[in-house]
Amino acid sequence: DGGITQSPKYLFRKEGQNVTLSCEQNLNHDAMYWYRQDPGQGLRLIYYSQIVNDFQKGDIAEGYSVSREKKESFPLTVTSAQKNPTAFYLCASVGGGNIQYFGAGTRLSVL
Amino acid sequence: QKEVEQDPGPLSVPEGAIVSLNCTYSNSAFQYFMWYRQYSRKGPELLMYTYSSGNKEDGRFTAQVDKSSKYISLFIRDSQPSDSATYLCAISTGNTGKLIFGQGTTLQVKP
Repeated sequence: DGGITQSPKYLFRKEGQNVTLSCEQNLNHDAMYWYRQDPGQGLRLIYYSQIVNDFQKGDIAEGYSVSREKKESFPLTVTSAQKNPTAFYLCASVGGGNIQYFGAGTRLSVL
Repeated sequence: QKEVEQDPGPLSVPEGAIVSLNCTYSNSAFQYFMWYRQYSRKGPELLMYTYSSGNKEDGRFTAQVDKSSKYISLFIRDSQPSDSATYLCAISTGNTGKLIFGQGTTLQVKP
């Protein structure tokens, strides 16, 4: 069953804590993306990776970090420097024709 | 000026109505045009994909691209309550995997 798997579905962060969101794909796609979605604001790009061991900052990278050690995995860490982390986080991988395929998302809230 | 502007809605229509969703864009280099549908608390899923100017039809859905006016539209015929969702336009130059998303239009179809 091919696709993008994000976990956990819900995540709670305490003040000063770093948390990591998981994104795994079995579509054999090279490129993967992380977005943040807030109500009424569409999708904003946090980080993206075109290939293993390489990634670039998106429009709102401050307070976030990523790694891309394996083709299948692109985890996102929300650091304590991100002062307003409450949002819906979406991971995507890119197939032919620049079509992006999304996971089900992780909803992050602050305790 | 944002690269992509989407009518924000929200939009509420009776069942059976024809729905028109619209986006405008500013960069004539954009070549790939997509519409994603996002149900509440889910990841976006690709609904329509077009490469050139003109119309593309898939069942009750028609995507229209007018490159001369930099305007894209999604029409839904005979709308159903199951069409209630947020619709996101997305465009790309095709040179990278990056998509530029509109802010989304939330549609409610009332029985």
